[in-house]
Amino acid sequence: EVQLVESGGGLVQPGGSLRLSCAASGFTFSSYEMNWVRQAPGKGLEWVSYISSSGSTIYYADSVKGRFTISRDNAKNSLYLQMNSLRAEDTAVYYCARSCTMVRGVFDYWGQGTLVTVSS
Amino acid sequence: EIVLTQSPATLSLSPGERATLSCRASQSVSSYLAWYQQKPGQAPRLLIYDASNRATGIPARFSGSGSGTDFTLTISSLEPEDFAVYYCQQRSNWPPLTFGPGTKVDIK
Repeated sequence: EVQLVESGGGLVQPGGSLRLSCAASGFTFSSYEMNWVRQAPGKGLEWVSYISSSGSTIYYADSVKGRFTISRDNAKNSLYLQMNSLRAEDTAVYYCARSCTMVRGVFDYWGQGTLVTVSS
Repeated sequence: EIVLTQSPATLSLSPGERATLSCRASQSVSSYLAWYQQKPGQAPRLLIYDASNRATGIPARFSGSGSGTDFTLTISSLEPEDFAVYYCQQRSNWPPLTFGPGTKVDIK
């Protein structure tokens, strides 16, 4: 069974940093592209970042470019999101989401999400 | 960036009725459009990819159609578990991958 379990969320002050993790199991993690998608409270979905299976290709939404860094450790079956210079508008539930193998850019499995709250 | 709009914002229907949800793209996305369902407190679930292909395990009452800029998600006969928010998402021209604002299907 495919499982994605996020962790690392919490309350952080504006300008602070946080590192999210996503532990993957039930599939060959190193073969799949991965993403982070977020959802502000009561709002819609926003794609945040993408990383290829090897980690060689990375993309970011303009809203987080230069502040967030996506990475992965295929030996540990883990995906990460380092978030720096956090702003109030970064407050959201952050989901890690797997890309479909043959349908790039479509998310076939999602974690349960971890809440990040940026507030003083 | 491709902008997706969804209509209506809210659809109030009764169980057993047919639901028709619309998604429009600001430019052609060919057939590269997906639909997701999200229930309160849960992660989204993939329903349809590439406009009309049902994802694994999705019931046949869910169907998708369209191409170019206009797309439709149809639920042929609403079951109680289908009342949720539905999002469309394009993968035609990315980054960025973009989602629509969602349509809430609630019980009339």
